[in-house]
Amino acid sequence: QQQVKQSPQSLIVQKGGIPIINCAYENTAFDYFPWYQQFPGKGPALLIAIRPDVSEKKEGRFTISFNKSAKQFSLHIMDSQPGDSATYFCAATYAGNMLTFGGGTRLMVKP
Amino acid sequence: DAGVIQSPRHEVTEMGQEVTLRCKPISGHNSLFWYRQTMMRGLELLIYFNNNVPIDDSGMPEDRFSAKMPNASFSTLKIQPSEPRDSAVYFCASPSGGLNTGELFFGEGSRLTVL
Repeated sequence: QQQVKQSPQSLIVQKGGIPIINCAYENTAFDYFPWYQQFPGKGPALLIAIRPDVSEKKEGRFTISFNKSAKQFSLHIMDSQPGDSATYFCAATYAGNMLTFGGGTRLMVKP
Repeated sequence: DAGVIQSPRHEVTEMGQEVTLRCKPISGHNSLFWYRQTMMRGLELLIYFNNNVPIDDSGMPEDRFSAKMPNASFSTLKIQPSEPRDSAVYFCASPSGGLNTGELFFGEGSRLTVL
């Protein structure tokens, strides 16, 4: 059972555009929602995270929006750059650090 | 701290052979996670250790897979016998924040190819 559903699977935007990646979850026990960024040949790295009692969190050009009632959250990348080209994973956790990952979104930012 | 160190980075083996993947977690952290990444199934949690004890191994595919964490500075994931469908990138990870944050430091992975 896929507990965290992520869309789209791939995304292409022009430099300066605002890619949006969406995730939906089912398990209301989830209490922490991190996003990870992965470059080819590397392990995933924590990018930004949010708790369900907060509706929005910004860190630099990255913003998470959270809708608890809809059980959905999304990542926005403002003023996207070619260096942001990577695979992005949303995730959810409960009972400690047992992360459940979404399926990933491969983002390409064209110059 | 050098972060999470995994070896080997790449392993090519033939079906039926034993494969051992190694991980040195971040020092001072006695929790460790093993994940497997494939195109078809994405990132899957295989097993989770806390205080060197396996807490949840429900993600281990079958008896061919085994994992140990004999001490806080070393863990192994063994596949015996290996099969082509085991081909994947295997990651281990250490928690970076408190126990209940979901913030993990991942190693760079071990890419396994079983022919």
